[in-house]
Amino acid sequence: DQQVKQNSPSLSVQEGRISILNCDYTNSMFDYFLWYKKYPAEGPTFLISISSIKDKNEDGRFTVFLNKSAKHLSLHIVPSQPGDSAVYFCAANPYGNKLVFGAGTILRVKS
Amino acid sequence: EAGVTQSPTHLIKTRGQQATLRCSPISGHTSVYWYQQALGLGLQFLLWYDEGEERNRGNFPPRFSGRQFPNYSSELNVNALELEDSALYLCASSVDSLNTEAFFGQGTRLTVV
Repeated sequence: DQQVKQNSPSLSVQEGRISILNCDYTNSMFDYFLWYKKYPAEGPTFLISISSIKDKNEDGRFTVFLNKSAKHLSLHIVPSQPGDSAVYFCAANPYGNKLVFGAGTILRVKS
Repeated sequence: EAGVTQSPTHLIKTRGQQATLRCSPISGHTSVYWYQQALGLGLQFLLWYDEGEERNRGNFPPRFSGRQFPNYSSELNVNALELEDSALYLCASSVDSLNTEAFFGQGTRLTVV
């Protein structure tokens, strides 16, 4: 049973526009969420995180929004660049435990 | 600062053999995590070691095992290899067991033929 779900396997966006990647979770005990980016033949790279005490966290072009009541988070990339093309994984961290990952969303940014 | 390093980069084994994958965490990190990424699937949690002890394991058969050494490096062993074990195996480390941010290695591509 998937506790972290990324329902969109892929997303295609024009360069300069906003990319929005979505993630849903089922366990209300999850209190920390992370986004990882993964290029082919490389390990995932940490991108941005958010604690459940916040509803928004920004880092440059990347913003993560958390809606605890809906058990939903999203990653916004503005403006999108071709180099952002990668697989994006949403992950939850049940305190002191393993990371639980979603299946990933392939983002393609077209120039 | 050196990142998480994994070896070998690629490994080809035949069905029934054993595979050993190695991981060196970032200096100062005590927690090591192993994940499997099979083709078309997301990252599946395998094992978590912290301070030399196995803290948690995912939903994998016992032929997947490992250990963590006193220097916090780790080995993942897969016995009696099956074709479906072919995958990218990723190791991650974090500074402690809170795992607020885990850093990944580049992975070992295991191919079972």
